[in-house]
Amino acid sequence: GQSLEQPSEVTAVEGAIVQINCTYQTSGFYGLSWYQQHDGGAPTFLSYNALDGLEETGRFSSFLSRSDSYGYLLLQELQMKDSASYFCVLNRDDKIIFGKGTRLHILP
Amino acid sequence: GAGVSQTPSNKVTEKGKYVELRCDPISGHTALYWYRQSLGQGPEFLIYFQGTGAADDSGLPNDRFFAVRPEGSVSTLKIQRTERGDSAVYLCASSPSVGGGQETQYFGPGTRLLVL
Repeated sequence: GQSLEQPSEVTAVEGAIVQINCTYQTSGFYGLSWYQQHDGGAPTFLSYNALDGLEETGRFSSFLSRSDSYGYLLLQELQMKDSASYFCVLNRDDKIIFGKGTRLHILP
Repeated sequence: GAGVSQTPSNKVTEKGKYVELRCDPISGHTALYWYRQSLGQGPEFLIYFQGTGAADDSGLPNDRFFAVRPEGSVSTLKIQRTERGDSAVYLCASSPSVGGGQETQYFGPGTRLLVL
């Protein structure tokens, strides 16, 4: 089968850097995506890694290592508006699998 | 419109009733996805369409759930004989072409279904 594991909650301070890890088990996939979801809102796309390595998009970066079955989302210069849930997502040919999400709390 | 729209935004029904949930994808997007999200959980994949056909319906929980996309644009998720466990937010997403999750998905605001 396939599964994704990510921490249920992470707390960080405004202006700091935070890393949200994701480990997975799957037999094959196209890539790993990250989505952000604010309370009561729809998921919005943040980043996608098809290849190993780091992808940078503004304050957000995402990393994938297929050999380690591991990825992470890095958020820099945290702002209060970054308080949300973050989902790692396996992109397979036959199914899209969301993790359970990591709730990010940001302290002023 | 500019984004994915879903109607109704909220739906309250009684156990055993039939409901239809509608999704209008972004114009020109050929791939359309339905998800179900319970409180505190990630979206759970239900079905995805490539054009008019269901390319993968393996996520539909049972035969009470059915979805159509007759003209390759608007899609309707249909739930028969609703049960209290069907209560959740039903999300729709669309993407431009390839499908299979290789492209960014654009989500609608969801329909909040409550089965009493």
